[in-house]
This record gives sequence, structure tokens and C-alpha cells, in this order.
Amino acid sequence: GAGVSQSPSNKVTEKGKDVELRCDPISGHTALYWYRQSLGQGLEFLIYFQGNSAPDKSGLPSDRFSAERTGGSVSTLTIQRTQQEDSAVYLCASSSGGAASLYEQYFGPGTRLTVT
Amino acid sequence: AQSVTQPDIHITVSEGASLELRCNYSYGATPYLFWYVQSPGQGLQLLLKYFSGDTLVQGIKGFEAEFKRSQSSFNLRKPSVHWSDAAEYFCAVGGGTGRRALTFGSGTRLQVQP
Repeated sequence: GAGVSQSPSNKVTEKGKDVELRCDPISGHTALYWYRQSLGQGLEFLIYFQGNSAPDKSGLPSDRFSAERTGGSVSTLTIQRTQQEDSAVYLCASSSGGAASLYEQYFGPGTRLTVT
Repeated sequence: AQSVTQPDIHITVSEGASLELRCNYSYGATPYLFWYVQSPGQGLQLLLKYFSGDTLVQGIKGFEAEFKRSQSSFNLRKPSVHWSDAAEYFCAVGGGTGRRALTFGSGTRLQVQP
């Protein structure tokens, strides 16, 4: 079946502009995650959605970052007023939920964001 | 807080040689453990997982890993490495009542010599 898809695959933007990154999870997966991968920081958790529960936003690095998940499926990560330190690969993952399988996460190919 | 340590940043092995990548974790209870592989420009692919039961788990591409509670380790092994195994490997831990996300190690980059 189809895996997690992300778009765009690459995004170059100027400092100060807003960007939107999209994630389409595996069909039927109730949990969706965003992570950021950068050279200096490794893989960092950003935000987690599970069903209709309030998202866990504890990993968002600043209030310039926000995310939403519409209809329990597609998610959009928005970065406002981008800074050079936001340059990274943004990875989306989904899982089927449940006690253990919640952590069995399947990743998309990522969006490489470059802020110039 | 849980943490994962991958002590080897970079490993080089010859094609056909055996491989062991080390992973140590810090966690208060029995963790859920994972190994992922990432090829250049790609996302993370799940190699194998440990939830409970048999401490030796088999994964895709001929990989296996062994959970050793006494050593807080979950090392990844492969008997004979292929050139296509060259990639970065990440160990991850999850579980408990805290954050519902994985905590990743810093990764081990594997280079395979012909």
C-alpha cells in the first residue's frame, strides 16, 4: 500500500517568508508525527496528533511553528517568518495507534527546507 | 528522561564481513526499541522492532537485533554485509506514560568497502 507522502520534497525560501509543508499519512493511521532532522541537533520531535485528542506541541521550538491536521488525515506544518536556523529536513511519520504500535512509526521521505 | 546512545559515529566494514552496531538506552521501564535505516536523501525505513517476548528479533534485509536488559542495549547485527547496506542507522526508544514520540540516537554511518 501507499506509504507516507510529503510535499514539497525540496523548498528554498528567503529569510522572513512563511512556508507550509504537507504530510499525507498512511491510510487508516490515527497517529501523526512531525520531526526535524538537522546536522547539529539530530532527529527532534516537533508535534504529535492522535485522533481527535489535543495535539502534543511540546517539541515545537518557537511560536513561529504551528501545525494542524484536518479531518484526521492530512497535516500541514507551518513555519512563519523563517530563519536560517530553520533549515533542516522535516520528516513526517504515522502509526496505527494502540499501546505499543503507537511507537511503530513509518516515515515519509521528508521535505528539505533551505532558508537563504 | 529517556535517552539513546550510539557510541560509533562512523563504521567501515568490508563487503561480506559481519556487522554489529551498538545502541544503549536509558529508560525507566521496559522500552519499545527500534532500528531505522536512512539512505542519502531518503526518509527513515523501519528495520526491526522489539516490544516484548523473545529478545532476539529478526528484521528486514537480513538484520537482527538482541535486547539485553542487563546491559540496556539493543545492538544491531548482520552476518554478511552487502554494498547496498551503506547508509545511516538510527536506534530509537519509545514507551511509557510520557511523550508519545520516539527518542533517537545520533546515528551511525556505515561505509562498506568492496
